[in-house]
Amino acid sequence: RKEVEQDPGPFNVPEGATVAFNCTYSNSASQSFFWYRQDCRKEPKLLMSVYSSGNEDGRFTAQLNRASQYISLLIRDSKLSDSATYLCVISTGNQFYFGTGTSLTVIP
Amino acid sequence: DTEVTQTPKHLVMGMTNKKSLKCEQHMGHRAMYWYKQKAKKPPELMFVYSYEKLSINESVPSRFSPECPNSSLLNLHLHALQPEDSALYLCASSQDIGTTNYGYTFGSGTRLTVV
Repeated sequence: RKEVEQDPGPFNVPEGATVAFNCTYSNSASQSFFWYRQDCRKEPKLLMSVYSSGNEDGRFTAQLNRASQYISLLIRDSKLSDSATYLCVISTGNQFYFGTGTSLTVIP
Repeated sequence: DTEVTQTPKHLVMGMTNKKSLKCEQHMGHRAMYWYKQKAKKPPELMFVYSYEKLSINESVPSRFSPECPNSSLLNLHLHALQPEDSALYLCASSQDIGTTNYGYTFGSGTRLTVV
């Protein structure tokens, strides 16, 4: 079983739509959770850390469900510029594990 | 300074060449990483250095040789590579292996083509 499972998509959504991605993890001892954004041919960049209480940054909301062992990312009012691959990254404390990434295309 | 700097940005090398990738950070991070990323795939961990010592080697072929000269620098020496080694090579750093609250900071990568 993979440490981290993520639906690769692709997700094609119209501008203004709300879209959500999930990422499940297998190690219940996982400690830290992150969402990264990666544009084509660029490096991944940290989008948000994910906290137990959930956190919001503008149009982006991240949540953690420890009981079901998944994290989620919600994007409201999608913009064309949100088109990218979104990677979940989970840390067990001594190593980071990547999801496969979810491809999002926002269509005009 | 919150950047991880990688050089060169692009590299084309023959299968008999020897080249090196360089990575530098001045954030005081004690863990540094090399990742390899193929198109449409997530980054794959190659090596982890913690406090300048090699902590993890993910069974990487010996034609890749990492080096950590000091706490700010990380090199990846390349020798006798194969065309399938062509990929984006990403350097990353974090505060510590055991302190992962803030995630990684990635460099912009070196796009390597082996011909």
